[in-house]
Amino acid sequence: EAGVTQFPSHSVIEKGQTVTLRCDPISGHDNLYWYRRVMGKEIKFLLHFVKESKQDESGMPNNRFLAERTGGTYSTLKVQPAELEDSGVYFCASSPDSGNYNSPLHFGNGTRLTVT
Amino acid sequence: QKEVEQNSGPLSVPEGAIASLNCTYSDRGSQSFFWYRQYSGKSPELIMFIYSNGDKEDGRFTAQLNKASQYVSLLIRDSQPSDSATYLCAVGGDNAGNNRKLIWGLGTSLAVNP
Repeated sequence: EAGVTQFPSHSVIEKGQTVTLRCDPISGHDNLYWYRRVMGKEIKFLLHFVKESKQDESGMPNNRFLAERTGGTYSTLKVQPAELEDSGVYFCASSPDSGNYNSPLHFGNGTRLTVT
Repeated sequence: QKEVEQNSGPLSVPEGAIASLNCTYSDRGSQSFFWYRQYSGKSPELIMFIYSNGDKEDGRFTAQLNKASQYVSLLIRDSQPSDSATYLCAVGGDNAGNNRKLIWGLGTSLAVNP
């Protein structure tokens, strides 16, 4: 079984530019989550998809961030325009369901975003 | 503001010893508690989860939960150098069952010395 894959693994962009991060969850996992870790801070929840629907986007920092999951498969997270404080590691995770404790989150290796 | 607190470490233990990692959380309504291990440059990997008061054992790992004290711990018996990593405590939510909107601690760095 292929794991959660994220692309790119690293991205360095200038302030004001646009970056799109991609996450491919494990096949068949309806639930997809985005998390972010800013250097020196704890991992923070961004949003949760169930299939193609946004279940909870309460963690999205502001309207410069746009997440999509067309067709309920892969997801993209676009940052436009990027600011310095957006730098960090963006993790994607998936699970078959959201309520079963025996169904753990599977994390991707993350995308390290650096905004200069 | 819901918070999860962990000592950042580093916690250093000799090989074969017991490593004890601790975590406190602020939201008394929290329902689910997770310990993740993260090697440098890698993704978090679930080690244990617990949601009832008491102890839960899985191999060399034991999770302990005390909801009255809002405290959860992870014990690693017979520590191995391969256990050296950052251990993240995460606390999840609500009674509706969405235990994946996790509140994370900063993590405790563990070093097991041969």
